Amino acid sequence: DAKTTQPNSMESNEEEPVHLPCNHSTISGTDYIHWYRQLPSQGPEYVIHGLTSNVNNRMASLAIAEDRKSSTLILHRATLRDAAVYYCILRDVMNTGNQFYFGTGTSLTVIP
Amino acid sequence: DTEVTQTPKHLVMGMTNKKSLKCEQHMGHRAMYWYKQKAKKPPELMFVYSYEKLSINESVPSRFSPECPNSSLLNLHLHALQPEDSALYLCASSQDGSPRDQAPGELFFGEGSRLTVL
Repeated sequence: DAKTTQPNSMESNEEEPVHLPCNHSTISGTDYIHWYRQLPSQGPEYVIHGLTSNVNNRMASLAIAEDRKSSTLILHRATLRDAAVYYCILRDVMNTGNQFYFGTGTSLTVIP
Repeated sequence: DTEVTQTPKHLVMGMTNKKSLKCEQHMGHRAMYWYKQKAKKPPELMFVYSYEKLSINESVPSRFSPECPNSSLLNLHLHALQPEDSALYLCASSQDGSPRDQAPGELFFGEGSRLTVL
């Protein structure tokens, strides 16, 4: 399975943008990039996913490098409720579509 | 209804007990998952059911026995567990049931069942 690498932890000030990086240098052409986050004492929740093009939704934006070997999750204005562990996951829909493997994730601290 | 409901929320059991964790979803999803999560670690995939058939078993010990009675229900039967099996057990579901079904759907997670084995 293609692996992802994320920083263990990051800090952000409240109401400032946050850029959470993910490296996936062994990504294959059929791997979708998914992001999930896990708030304390909760199950993970879906944030966003993409294949090649940048994606936006109400929660965040996903910027994908042209060679797809890295991606960045962008939270436009961090709030205290965004403090969570953020996971970047690759999902190969052609071969192992239902095998969602979580990497170590980035623990985001938001400072008031 | 976009919820995955897990029961019980907390379970304490002895090493000789038999117990079950239950998971339910009514979103019409055809894939259901069990994950195990230890404190401060990422979730680890245990089992995947696709169209009510076990499609993935990540070499999980036989003291964990999954069951999918129908497309809405997923159980995890527990027997002769060890203290190191104490963890948060997460259930999830997704719309697509096989790799080529359609565009990759998101995973919906329940809040988990916190298991303590004494």
